[in-house]
Amino acid sequence: DTGVSQDPRHKITKRGQNVTFRCDPISEHNRLYWYRQTLGQGPEFLTYFQNEAQLEKSRLLSDRFSAERPKGSFSTLEIQRTEQGDSAMYLCASSFSGLNQPQHFGDGTRLSIL
Amino acid sequence: GIQVEQSPPDLILQEGANSTLRCNFSDSVNNLQWFHQNPWGQLINLFYIPSGTKQNGRLSATTVATERYSLLYISSSQTTDSGVYFCAAWGAGGTSYGKLTFGQGTILTVHP
Repeated sequence: DTGVSQDPRHKITKRGQNVTFRCDPISEHNRLYWYRQTLGQGPEFLTYFQNEAQLEKSRLLSDRFSAERPKGSFSTLEIQRTEQGDSAMYLCASSFSGLNQPQHFGDGTRLSIL
Repeated sequence: GIQVEQSPPDLILQEGANSTLRCNFSDSVNNLQWFHQNPWGQLINLFYIPSGTKQNGRLSATTVATERYSLLYISSSQTTDSGVYFCAAWGAGGTSYGKLTFGQGTILTVHP
């Protein structure tokens, strides 16, 4: 079990730039989740994949955000035209499908917008 | 959706003390997890405990699903226990596909 891997760990960019994050889930897991955590808050759900299908998106996910999981393995989260309010920790998690399955989290990507 | 509330918001202990953290949730759950977030931001799985009691070393957890609360016990606390403890639940109602709703966390500080 190599765990959930996220890349990069840190990203600093200027306002208005596009950024892309990658998540590699635990290999046997078919569910993949993205969460966002701002300072002093608990993580909040952004979106969820079952294999390659994106089945749910939060209202937090504006039109500037897009996520993909093209072959049902790794996933990418892209933010276009970044804004100051996008500064946060972006966390990825994976699990087996079905009820009663714990989620395992990666170490996150910390995004800072200058 | 499900609401998750944690208490206390802050807790300061001397090394060696015991503590109890509480998590209340507003609906039946398919999944309930406790996490420790360390100063580097890493979320460490402590327990997967939608019901019952589990123990892992100095930590144990109990979830009483019928009364919609969970407790995390830390015994003989150490400075390395410092950080933020989160409770997160997947509500049984609706079609949330397993998304976790997190509480606001308990900030634990253990002094030597």
